[in-house]
Amino acid sequence: GQNIDQPTEMTATEGAIVQINCTYQTSGFNGLFWYQQHAGEAPTFLSYNVLDGLEEKGRFSSFLSRSKGYSYLLLKELQMKDSASYLCAVTIPQGGKLIFGQGTELSVKP
Amino acid sequence: DSGVTQTPKHLITATGQRVTLRCSPRSGDLSVYWYQQSLDQGLQFLIQYYNGEERAKGNILERFSAQQFPDLHSELNLSSLELGDSALYFCASSPSPGTSDEQYFGPGTRLTVT
Repeated sequence: GQNIDQPTEMTATEGAIVQINCTYQTSGFNGLFWYQQHAGEAPTFLSYNVLDGLEEKGRFSSFLSRSKGYSYLLLKELQMKDSASYLCAVTIPQGGKLIFGQGTELSVKP
Repeated sequence: DSGVTQTPKHLITATGQRVTLRCSPRSGDLSVYWYQQSLDQGLQFLIQYYNGEERAKGNILERFSAQQFPDLHSELNLSSLELGDSALYFCASSPSPGTSDEQYFGPGTRLTVT
C-alpha cells in the first residue's frame, strides 16, 4: 500500500521560518515533489527531490532522506501570501502518477 | 497560468446523469493525468495517458472513463453520477510519462452533483 503522512494544520508568524514534515511508506520510490495549493486553485510546483539532501530555491528549501522515508519543506521569511495548503507527493516506478499526502494547511498570521 | 486548460470551470448536474470534462495539455506535453480532489480524500490519481495510450490507472471507478485524442486533448467521462462524485477534477500534463517530470495542473473543473 501507499501511505504519506503530513500534519493537517500549522500556524506561523509573518517573517518567521516554518518546517512542514512528510513521511512516506510506498511500494517503490522514485522521487518526492512538493506542491503549493491555494484554496480552490490548481496545485503549483515548488520542488523535487530524488537524491538525499537539501534543495534550495529562494525562500523555499526541501530535504529528503530516502533511508528514513522522510522529507521536509522549509519556508523562510514567511509572507501572508504563503498561507496555503502544502502537498507532499511521491512518484513510484509504475508510471508517472503522483501519490499525494492529505496536505498541510498553513496559516500565516501577522 | 500553467498552460493547461480545462472546461468547463463549473458543472452542476443531477444524480444519474453523465458529464464530460475536457482538458488541453501544455503545448508539447504528451502525457495527461486526471486527479480527483474531494474534501475527505485529498488529491487522488485517476488515470494517465501518454500520446493517446493509457499508461497507468489509479482507483478509477468503472462508471468513469477517459481517452486522449490524436490532438492530445483528453476527456474524462463520468456517468451514473452520485452525490459522492462531487469534487474538483484536475487535469495535469507533462512532457513525458517519466516519474521525474514536473506536472503542470490545469485550473480544475468543479463538479456538483445534486
